[in-house]
Amino acid sequence: DGGITQSPKYLFRKEGQNVTLSCEQNLNHDAMYWYRQDPGQGLRLIYYSQIVNDFQKGDIAEGYSVSREKKESFPLTVTSAQKNPTAFYLCASSITRAHPYNEQFFGPGTRLTVL
Amino acid sequence: LAKTTQPISMDSYEGQEVNITCSHNNIATNDYITWYQQFPSQGPRFIIQGYKTKVTNEVASLFIPADRKSSTLSLPRVSLSDTAVYYCLVGENYGGSQGNLIFGKGTKLSVKP
Repeated sequence: DGGITQSPKYLFRKEGQNVTLSCEQNLNHDAMYWYRQDPGQGLRLIYYSQIVNDFQKGDIAEGYSVSREKKESFPLTVTSAQKNPTAFYLCASSITRAHPYNEQFFGPGTRLTVL
Repeated sequence: LAKTTQPISMDSYEGQEVNITCSHNNIATNDYITWYQQFPSQGPRFIIQGYKTKVTNEVASLFIPADRKSSTLSLPRVSLSDTAVYYCLVGENYGGSQGNLIFGKGTKLSVKP
């Protein structure tokens, strides 16, 4: 059953700690994205990756880091440098970034709360 | 900034047809119109995409007039499970070289029993 998965669904973190959010897809998609969504707001792009071993900063990359060592995996680390990390994090993938109207497939999201 | 305009919210009852209209006066010649659906605490889901006239799939229909300055998402016989936020996306909603989607506030549809 093809799709994109994120884990965990809920995550609690103490201030000053780094935390890594998992994102896996078995759709054989080249492009992957991390978005952040705050209550009542749209999605903001954190990082994106067009291909393995390559990734680029999005609009709000400060305090975040990513890696793309495998095509199917795109983990996001929220570092202690991120000043307001409590949010809903969404991972997405698409066949390729080159065709903008390609459907983006989203994972179920991870809700991060900093205590 | 997305150049689409859609109602902030709509209410409906189970079994009714719901039509959500999106205005996109500045749509470009090569722009497609895409609708996504987002349930609370879930990721958005692609519903339908079209360029002109009418597109229908198992979930919805999309009506696009000849001038393409607006589009209407039609959900037949809605149920409680159709309660969600619906986003209309056109060219300005696609993040250029980054390839990301830029979602506006969307239309919050509430279906009542």
